[in-house]
Amino acid sequence: GAVVSQHPSWVICKSGTSVKIECRSLDFQATTMFWYRQFPKQSLMLMATSNEGSKATYEQGVEKDKFLINHASLTLSTLTVTSAHPEDSSFYICSARGGAVYSNQPQHFGDGTRLSIL
Amino acid sequence: QKEVEQDPGPLSVPEGAIVSLNCTYSNSAFQYFMWYRQYSRKGPELLMYTYSSGNKEDGRFTAQVDKSSKYISLFIRDSQPSDSATYLCAMSALTGGFKTIFGAGTRLFVKA
Repeated sequence: GAVVSQHPSWVICKSGTSVKIECRSLDFQATTMFWYRQFPKQSLMLMATSNEGSKATYEQGVEKDKFLINHASLTLSTLTVTSAHPEDSSFYICSARGGAVYSNQPQHFGDGTRLSIL
Repeated sequence: QKEVEQDPGPLSVPEGAIVSLNCTYSNSAFQYFMWYRQYSRKGPELLMYTYSSGNKEDGRFTAQVDKSSKYISLFIRDSQPSDSATYLCAMSALTGGFKTIFGAGTRLFVKA
């Protein structure tokens, strides 16, 4: 149980384009979803937290106009990197958590999206 | 000082060894403790989830929490090359709205 699916797994695109990444909870209702960024050999860096039906809460230093997050249903959240540039190239990982909005349940992660901007 | 400290390693052990991975933390309010395994270019996978102090065993894995020392451990018995990965500890507390704080991760190599 607790399967989180993330697509695409790898995307290469030209500078200036926008890229959408999907995160789905397949067998549970994800009241809260998280988006992380991870650089090589470094730990997870939380970008934003979103509760279903609410606006996302962004961590300090994360541009909300650059990284658009939508959590419109209990099984789907999307991250759109707008006008992507080479410095946005990274490994993006989503996670999902069930239960109440502030829940002690653990997060379950997708397999990540490798984004390369040329 | 970071809330959660974890030695990044790398830790290299021979196949069959018992592996001990550890984290220390500073916030005594942490109640829920997790261990995740992350293979290269994959998302973290939840291995163990424990509440408060004590031990929890699942197959070759044992999670141990010592709240008095603010110290948690993950033991892997009969380690296999397939256990080679990065292991992240994580913890949360009611007082923090259950925001999960992750350690930096320890890279483990199990040599055949």
